[in-house]
Amino acid sequence: DAGVIQSPRHEVTEMGQEVTLRCKPISGHNSLFWYRQTMMRGLELLIYFNNNVPIDDSGMPEDRFSAKMPNASFSTLKIQPSEPRDSAVYFCASSHSISGNTIYFGEGSWLTVV
Amino acid sequence: RKEVEQDPGPFNVPEGATVAFNCTYSNSASQSFFWYRQDCRKEPKLLMSVYSSGNEDGRFTAQLNRASQYISLLIRDSKLSDSATYLCVVTPYGQNFVFGPGTRLSVLP
Repeated sequence: DAGVIQSPRHEVTEMGQEVTLRCKPISGHNSLFWYRQTMMRGLELLIYFNNNVPIDDSGMPEDRFSAKMPNASFSTLKIQPSEPRDSAVYFCASSHSISGNTIYFGEGSWLTVV
Repeated sequence: RKEVEQDPGPFNVPEGATVAFNCTYSNSASQSFFWYRQDCRKEPKLLMSVYSSGNEDGRFTAQLNRASQYISLLIRDSKLSDSATYLCVVTPYGQNFVFGPGTRLSVLP
């Protein structure tokens, strides 16, 4: 089975530009998570969905960040406008349920904002 | 207090050594516990789940102490390939997966 698929794998963009990260969870998983990882702050949960519904977005840094999950097989994380401090690795992950089962990560989207 | 805390590390140990990592969590209602491994510039991957009775997988042993809200991971006969960051993960009931900051391990030849 395919794992969690993220795109793009790497992106370099200029400050002020819009960035859209994409994720396809593992088929059959009903929970999807967006994490951000930096050296300074470690792995931070931004938002998670259960059955396509956002459950907790308290980790989203500010209004520049938005996430959608229009269906069970696709999610996007959008940053508009992007800033240099948004440079990080953004991981998408999925799980069969919110708690109890393991979580599987995609390979990450490496974002650099210059 | 952070929800999940780990030994800051890094741990630098020689090949063949035994090394132990500790993790504490603050939410007493937490239901599930895991250890993940993250290699440099890679995504975190499940190493092992942690069961109440403790469990072993080859050279790796995980222990859970609910009364003390404490989880441990023991690695015996460490290999060069064990070098990575080890993340403690806790799943409070009805909530998301909370990751600790990780402990970096370097196994030296």
